[in-house]
Amino acid sequence: SQKIEQNSEALNIQEGKTATLTCNYTNYSPAYLQWYRQDPGRGPVFLLLIRENEKEKRKERLKVTFDTTLKQSLFHITASQPADSATYLCALAPSSGGYNKLIFGAGTRLAVHP
Amino acid sequence: DVKVTQSSRYLVKRTGEKVFLECVQDMDHENMFWYRQDPGLGLRLIYFSYDVKMKEKGDIPEGYSVSREKKERFSLILESASTNQTSMYLCASSQAGTGVANEKLFFGSGTQLSVL
Repeated sequence: SQKIEQNSEALNIQEGKTATLTCNYTNYSPAYLQWYRQDPGRGPVFLLLIRENEKEKRKERLKVTFDTTLKQSLFHITASQPADSATYLCALAPSSGGYNKLIFGAGTRLAVHP
Repeated sequence: DVKVTQSSRYLVKRTGEKVFLECVQDMDHENMFWYRQDPGLGLRLIYFSYDVKMKEKGDIPEGYSVSREKKERFSLILESASTNQTSMYLCASSQAGTGVANEKLFFGSGTQLSVL
């Protein structure tokens, strides 16, 4: 069956460290993968998109990698801050889909402690 | 900035009631989506629309219908609310076409619906 999985356990890290979140998928061949941030009681906000032919994408303190062989994306936040505490969702666009229909993971909650 | 507005933040309804959730976007986006979000399950697509009066079923359309009479407005209808439809409902929109500017979704703040 098709699945997209993120760590269900919260990730707790110390301020200043690098946070690494994982997104694994099975039985998809995604055209691209996206990462969103969601704060409590709010809708998700788009952060980054990486395509199947890209290995890495950066934006300020954020870095995303995409390994289509391992069927995995890693999301890194360097020099993390308490304000980075939120739930992070990965979402993929199935190659066979259209109209930007995204399949979402359940998200990983990140807590950055001072 | 794109704004996606959902009409209610919280709703409490009774089993069997007909429920309307409204969503309006102000950026002339062609695509609009309704997701529900439940703990541990992530966002699941209920319906989407890629044009006025056009709609397509998502992964979990049972018990729901939608209406898109105008480009900016996409309504989700629960024909006869049931307790298993208690959830957070999120509306999203995007432009048509390829490219990062078009492929990302813009979400509303969500409606937390409780069906008693």
